[in-house]
Amino acid sequence: QKEVEQDPGPLSVPEGAIVSLNCTYSNSAFQYFMWYRQYSRKGPELLMYTYSSGNKEDGRFTAQVDKSSKYISLFIRDSQPSDSATYLCANSQGSNYKLTFGKGTLLTVNP
Amino acid sequence: GAGVSQSPSNKVTEKGKDVELRCDPISGHTALYWYRQSLGQGLEFLIYFQGNSAPDKSGLPSDRFSAERTGGSVSTLTIQRTQQEDSAVYLCASSLGLQTYEQYFGPGTRLTVT
Repeated sequence: QKEVEQDPGPLSVPEGAIVSLNCTYSNSAFQYFMWYRQYSRKGPELLMYTYSSGNKEDGRFTAQVDKSSKYISLFIRDSQPSDSATYLCANSQGSNYKLTFGKGTLLTVNP
Repeated sequence: GAGVSQSPSNKVTEKGKDVELRCDPISGHTALYWYRQSLGQGLEFLIYFQGNSAPDKSGLPSDRFSAERTGGSVSTLTIQRTQQEDSAVYLCASSLGLQTYEQYFGPGTRLTVT
């Protein structure tokens, strides 16, 4: 079993939809939870990170962590065509630890 | 300011040849990472440099792979006797010291082994 599992999609939604992206993980030692966005032929960029259970909101994006079920989610409200990208979840055991990435979910938002 | 840069952006090489990939991290970032991204495989960790500490080489897939970081800045990833399965995008990232969760990635080097 991989440490971080992520549905690769692809996921296609109409503009304005609410998008839900999810990952599960198996390592109880994970403390930090990140979401990266990767546009085609570009390097990933950090969207959000959190180190606790609960929700963290940043504009149209909400990251949710449930440590009891080892489940993390990213919600995108009012999705835009510019949100079309691959979204990668990543976990680490703490600051100064290497990241473990999911395989990524390809999202397309159709105008 | 300048981000992470990588060169070359594309590299085509013949099976059995050696290749060197270069990474220039963001100035002042003490941590540097190499990843490999293959189609449908996500980001695979290769190696991690943190300041003057011994690098974490636990992700290197074979002894054909090596990396060095000179002067705490520029890094070179070397693949010897390349194989077709080495074809992938090689990504470099850097971060401010202990903030490994906030990594800044370069655009990658697309390696094709024919």
